[in-house]
Amino acid sequence: QVTLKESGPVLLKATETLTLTCTVSGFSLSNARLGVSWIRQPPGKALECLAHIFSNDEKSYSPSLKNRLTISKDTSKSQVVLTMTNMDPVDTATYYCARIPIPTAGTFFDYWGQGALVTVSS
Amino acid sequence: DIQMTQSPSTLSASVGDRVTITCRASQSIVSWLAWYQQKPGKAPKLLIYKTSNLESGVPSRFSGSGSGTEFTLTISSLRPDDFATYHCQQYSTYPYTFGQGTKLEIK
Repeated sequence: QVTLKESGPVLLKATETLTLTCTVSGFSLSNARLGVSWIRQPPGKALECLAHIFSNDEKSYSPSLKNRLTISKDTSKSQVVLTMTNMDPVDTATYYCARIPIPTAGTFFDYWGQGALVTVSS
Repeated sequence: DIQMTQSPSTLSASVGDRVTITCRASQSIVSWLAWYQQKPGKAPKLLIYKTSNLESGVPSRFSGSGSGTEFTLTISSLRPDDFATYHCQQYSTYPYTFGQGTKLEIK
């Protein structure tokens, strides 16, 4: 059974750094045919891809947020970590991690975590 | 970035209705389009990938079509469980982008 679960702080202050962890089960982060992404959804707004990481450690980032984001993985712990620096109230959103089932077939998402609501206060 | 525009933003329908949601891309995405269903407080669920491929376990009343810049999601006969928000996502050109969502509500 494939599951992903996000964990991290619920409330942050402006300028702080967000660190979110996605713990996966039911598949391996070393599987050459898989990847993991972070996606966020501000209240009432569209979903937004933030970052992706693949089994060969290839990474890609949203161009508009690239300077603030870092994605990494620890295969032995089955975890993918996202850090976002200099948080602002506009970064208030539900943050999801999601699995990319077949990277060679394109970046869409077949399994999602439950989401982590992160609120940034000024 | 490729802009994805869904229409309508809200759709009112009844159980048993046939409904169609449209997703337009600001430039050609060939067939690299996915559809997701999202219920309040829940994560999105993959319904369709590469325009028309039904994800395993998704009922056959869902179907997708289109190419280039215009795509549709059709639900042939609405069930009570189908009332949700639907999102399209292009994965043709990075950064991959989503539509703003279409809320399907009970009439």
